[in-house]
Amino acid sequence: SQQGEEDPQALSIQEGENATMNCSYKTSINNLQWYRQNSGRGLVHLILIRSNEREKHSGRLRVTLDTSKKSSSLLITASRAADTASYFCATDPTGANSKLTFGKGITLSVRP
Amino acid sequence: GAVVSQHPSWVICKSGTSVKIECRSLDFQATTMFWYRQFPKQSLMLMATSNEGSKATYEQGVEKDKFLINHASLTLSTLTVTSAHPEDSSFYICSARDSTSGRMDHEQFFGPGTRLTVL
Repeated sequence: SQQGEEDPQALSIQEGENATMNCSYKTSINNLQWYRQNSGRGLVHLILIRSNEREKHSGRLRVTLDTSKKSSSLLITASRAADTASYFCATDPTGANSKLTFGKGITLSVRP
Repeated sequence: GAVVSQHPSWVICKSGTSVKIECRSLDFQATTMFWYRQFPKQSLMLMATSNEGSKATYEQGVEKDKFLINHASLTLSTLTVTSAHPEDSSFYICSARDSTSGRMDHEQFFGPGTRLTVL
């Protein structure tokens, strides 16, 4: 079953603008991960944030996690046309047999 | 590091034939691998968890006799779609979890996917 729910479902911005994507989830987690997928390709791991972390940076990416609200956001700063892709959040729930659960994804289009 | 490969990258087959997809962790050992399928413009749905040396664990609604999984070594898992039908056409993606002790984040590394088209 899908736990992560991203919003918006689709986002279109101009190159150079910032893109903010949100993810909400339902159960307790060990960590939350963001992935990118170009059309017809596999997933690329972007960033992982643990449940005891509130914010993490990686290059132009900034991820926040609010476990009290069970939500996370991914910010891509100074977007580029090459950032055009689908973005998924995935939660690693607590428990002995944890399995990543993916949200439905956000389609980001960056106009040159 | 942490590269996962899949072979083939795409395959077209006739209805009724079986297709085998390989998933390999190239530079790490993976006691656990996962198989997902993804329909166009949809998310990844976990099909099964592949455990080295033991039987795979299938998600609810996934036919184990239809989707045969073999995880014979620490670097290879295979998914065989038996008697494939057009409704099995999909994008199949595997992932592998690094078995190195101390990695508590359970980070998964994904293969590039296999596009299966059943005519």
